Amino acid sequence: EDQVTQSPEALRLQEGESSSLNCSYTVSGLRGLFWYRQDPGKGPEFLFTLYSAGEEKEKERLKATLTKKESFLHITAPKPEDSATYLCAVQAGGGNDMRFGAGTRLTVKP
Amino acid sequence: KAGVTQTPRYLIKTRGQQVTLSCSPISGHRSVSWYQQTPGQGLQFLFEYFSETQRNKGNFPGRFSGRQFSNSRSEMNVSTLELGDSALYLCASSSNREEAFFGQGTRLTVV
Repeated sequence: EDQVTQSPEALRLQEGESSSLNCSYTVSGLRGLFWYRQDPGKGPEFLFTLYSAGEEKEKERLKATLTKKESFLHITAPKPEDSATYLCAVQAGGGNDMRFGAGTRLTVKP
Repeated sequence: KAGVTQTPRYLIKTRGQQVTLSCSPISGHRSVSWYQQTPGQGLQFLFEYFSETQRNKGNFPGRFSGRQFSNSRSEMNVSTLELGDSALYLCASSSNREEAFFGQGTRLTVV
């Protein structure tokens, strides 16, 4: 069965303190790995899609990377507004369904 | 362009009742997926509709059902509500096999 594990569960950073979030996965026939950001009471907001090992994507202070077993979301010099839950999801098979990890709750203190 | 619209945003129902939730996808998107989000189980896939046909289904009981109309709008229905059905129900819209965009969700509380 497909599995997605995110670590750590929660992360507290000082503003400007860079760090990385991990998403390890076990899936047959990975079609895509997705990163989302979710604020309390809202729907997940799309960040990145990665399709193959070695691929990297960047957006502002965020950079996502992918290997054959895991993905990292690197946050450089975070700001308080980066505080949110970051979700990782994998997609396999023929449909658009995704299997999500439990998320990493990030808090950035000023 | 307009995003994914879910209605209603909040709903309170009594055990045993049924409920219908609605989702209007992004214009041009033909795939609509539904997810249930709870603190204990996280985001779990319910089902996906593509061009009015259910393409995939998660591991939920038959009380959970859905449909999609010719304009791609989708509804999901939960019958005989249980306390454990209290959750945030999220709809995700995508063009075929691309990234999905979520609505704000419907917060369902069963009392």
